Amino acid sequence: DGGITQSPKYLFRKEGQNVTLSCEQNLNHDAMYWYRQDPGQGLRLIYYSQIVNDFQKGDIAEGYSVSREKKESFPLTVTSAQKNPTAFYLCAILGNTEAFFGQGTRLTVV
Amino acid sequence: ILNVEQSPQSLHVQEGDSTNFTCSFPSSNFYALHWYRWETAKSPEALFVMTLNGDEKKKGRISATLNTKEGYSYLYIKGSQPEDSATYLCALSNSGYALNFGKGTSLLVTP
Repeated sequence: DGGITQSPKYLFRKEGQNVTLSCEQNLNHDAMYWYRQDPGQGLRLIYYSQIVNDFQKGDIAEGYSVSREKKESFPLTVTSAQKNPTAFYLCAILGNTEAFFGQGTRLTVV
Repeated sequence: ILNVEQSPQSLHVQEGDSTNFTCSFPSSNFYALHWYRWETAKSPEALFVMTLNGDEKKKGRISATLNTKEGYSYLYIKGSQPEDSATYLCALSNSGYALNFGKGTSLLVTP
């Protein structure tokens, strides 16, 4: 089954812990993105990557880190420095013209 | 940063009404303008991608226009149906691969 896979769908984290969200794609596209959605805020860009071993900060990168060791994978780590991590996180890839999205991960800090 | 503003924030119409939303942007320095539809519990789905001033795209009852000189795009829905209820997102992409979204317009169509 082709497309973008995000895991897990739901994630609970204790305050002060780092947590990594997975995003995998088998569509062979170069550009991958991480967004965060909060109520009333739309999708805000955290990080994006054009090619392997390269990535750029988006509008709200503080408290997050990413890696792009393989074309297929773009994991996002929510660090303890992120002051308000509870949100819905969406991974996307940019094809020739349009973006394709994963199903999202809802992260809750308890 | 590609600034994208959408209005209205939310909209409630009756079945059969036609409606439109606006996506505005201060600069024409972008590669493409995108419209996406996002239904609850699903992933956003692409509707249109437009690149040229004057572009008009249509898919069934939904159409979109782009005016880069005046900095806006309109999305029209003719004869709204309850299944059109969703959040409609506008996004800009640039040559550096950044893809920035507006906050969206939430549409509710009631029978």
